[in-house]
Amino acid sequence: QQQVKQSPQSLIVQKGGISIINCAYENTAFDYFPWYQQFPGKGPALLIAIRPDVSEKKEGRFTISFNKSAKQFSLHIMDSQPGDSATYFCAANQAGTALIFGKGTTLSVSS
Amino acid sequence: GAVVSQHPSRVICKSGTSVKIECRSLDFQATTMFWYRQFPKKSLMLMATSNEGSKATYEQGVEKDKFLINHASLTLSTLTVTSAHPEDSSFYICSARTDRANEQFFGPGTRLTVL
Repeated sequence: QQQVKQSPQSLIVQKGGISIINCAYENTAFDYFPWYQQFPGKGPALLIAIRPDVSEKKEGRFTISFNKSAKQFSLHIMDSQPGDSATYFCAANQAGTALIFGKGTTLSVSS
Repeated sequence: GAVVSQHPSRVICKSGTSVKIECRSLDFQATTMFWYRQFPKKSLMLMATSNEGSKATYEQGVEKDKFLINHASLTLSTLTVTSAHPEDSSFYICSARTDRANEQFFGPGTRLTVL
């Protein structure tokens, strides 16, 4: 019940295309759902996060869609750029507890 | 966003020695800090949760006597890998949480190589 399942494991998108990464969770007590971006040899950087009281949050080219009934949330990267090539992790937690991470998605954006 | 630093960024040591890694929240106070370990092309594995002024809580399978964690102040936590062996070689990452918003910010990581 503590797992966060992330897919796909890897993704190749053409420059200008839309990258979509999906995550699913089981624990209905989770109330915070962030996405992190990690470049090789660096720590993860908080990209965008959502709470279950909204169904969508947009920041620039990055959008989180949240489906509470399906217990799923996804990251959409619009107009994907080669600089977006990185590993993306979804995560979830309940306030006061440690984040549970998905296994990560390696995104490659071809120019 | 909030800034978390780690020192050193990379360290190479001989087998049997101890290595200390520092994690600092630079512009906020963090009552809770976390230590993770990451293997190549893998996800982050939580090792322990550290609360300021109290003993760390270790995840199952993590040896508390091998990975000593101290959280002496609201801006500093340290991880000491004692009697390091080659299998301890890994990327260690800390994070600090802001109490206000439950947001967690990560340090840049420390690459440990044990020869």
